[in-house]
Amino acid sequence: GQNIDQPTEMTATEGAIVQINCTYQTSGFNGLFWYQQHAGEAPTFLSYNVLDGLEEKGRFSSFLSRSKGYSYLLLKELQMKDSASYLCAAFHNAGNMLTFGGGTRLMVKP
Amino acid sequence: EAGVTQFPSHSVIEKGQTVTLRCDPISGHDNLYWYRRVMGKEIKFLLHFVKESKQDESGMPNNRFLAERTGGTYSTLKVQPAELEDSGVYFCASSERTPPLDTQYFGPGTRLTVL
Repeated sequence: GQNIDQPTEMTATEGAIVQINCTYQTSGFNGLFWYQQHAGEAPTFLSYNVLDGLEEKGRFSSFLSRSKGYSYLLLKELQMKDSASYLCAAFHNAGNMLTFGGGTRLMVKP
Repeated sequence: EAGVTQFPSHSVIEKGQTVTLRCDPISGHDNLYWYRRVMGKEIKFLLHFVKESKQDESGMPNNRFLAERTGGTYSTLKVQPAELEDSGVYFCASSERTPPLDTQYFGPGTRLTVL
């Protein structure tokens, strides 16, 4: 079966750094995606990892360890607009689909 | 470049009625996906089109759901007859090539409420 776990909620302070963890157990794993979703809007692609290691994109970085079934999204220099849900999703070649975690609701406070 | 669009944004219907949701993918994207999120649950895969062909419909919950993509452009998802448990947000996504070489881009979703 497929199982993706991430924390339900996190709170952080404007200007700080926050790390959102995601663990997964999926068959035929072939990559890990991170999306950002503001309430009532489309999930927006942030990054993906296929190989182990860190991918950096400006204030956002994502890390993957395939052997540990673990990923994290790192957000630096937090801004109020970063308050949103962050979705971890595994892509597996058993089907061309994404399997999503429940999402982590991040609240950024002044 | 226009993103993935979905229509309607909201739909409220009564149990037993029929509803048709529409998705227009990004122009040129051969891959089109339907997902849904029911209350309190994670987003779940429904099916995948490559052009007009159904590549994978393993996530379709039952035969009350019918998806089509005639001509390989826009897609419709019909629910007939709708049941209470069908309430949720239905997302459409499209991609140019098969991920992870490419990325799935999502539409804003259609919020379906069945009363």
